[in-house]
Amino acid sequence: QQQVKQSPQSLIVQKGGIPIINCAYENTAFDYFPWYQQFPGKGPALLIAIRPDVSEKKEGRFTISFNKSAKQFSLHIMDSQPGDSATYFCAASMNSGNTPLVFGKGTRLSVIA
Amino acid sequence: GAVVSQHPSRVICKSGTSVKIECRSLDFQATTMFWYRQFPKQSLMLMATSNEGSKATYEQGVEKDKFLINHASLTLSTLTVTSAHPEDSSFYICSATWGSNQPQHFGDGTRLSIL
Repeated sequence: QQQVKQSPQSLIVQKGGIPIINCAYENTAFDYFPWYQQFPGKGPALLIAIRPDVSEKKEGRFTISFNKSAKQFSLHIMDSQPGDSATYFCAASMNSGNTPLVFGKGTRLSVIA
Repeated sequence: GAVVSQHPSRVICKSGTSVKIECRSLDFQATTMFWYRQFPKQSLMLMATSNEGSKATYEQGVEKDKFLINHASLTLSTLTVTSAHPEDSSFYICSATWGSNQPQHFGDGTRLSIL
């Protein structure tokens, strides 16, 4: 049973474009939704995270949109660059920190010049 | 801040060998550490949750006698893959946090290859 569904599986955008990655969750007890970026051979790095009490959060070029009623959240990358090419994972957990993260299957993003 | 160091980064060894992987939080005290396994082009799968001074909690299907986890201090957790076999070859990643409502920070992973 997959608790966090992520789409698309892969995405190719032109430099300067705005890739959007979507995630949907099932467990209404989840209250912490981070996004991680992973480069080949490296561990995931925390990009940005959101809690259900806000509908949007922006940090630099990265924006999370959150729809609590639909149990969906998405990542937008503004002015994407070739250096943003990586695999992106959404995740969810209860009470953040000391409870396990449930990860989506990942989206492989390629930003071409 | 919030640096998690994992060592070694790569291990290649013969079948039947036991391998120990270390996960250290360098600039914070990690009350909880997690161990994940990731196969190529797949997502991270939680193996176990480790709290300092307590026995690890293993996920269903993860053999606790095969994957020994020790969290003896607030800055160090170790994963030992005992009598490793080729099917244990994978990318093992740890994460650490310093409490509730705090994010998890990940190490750079250990690529384990069993010949």
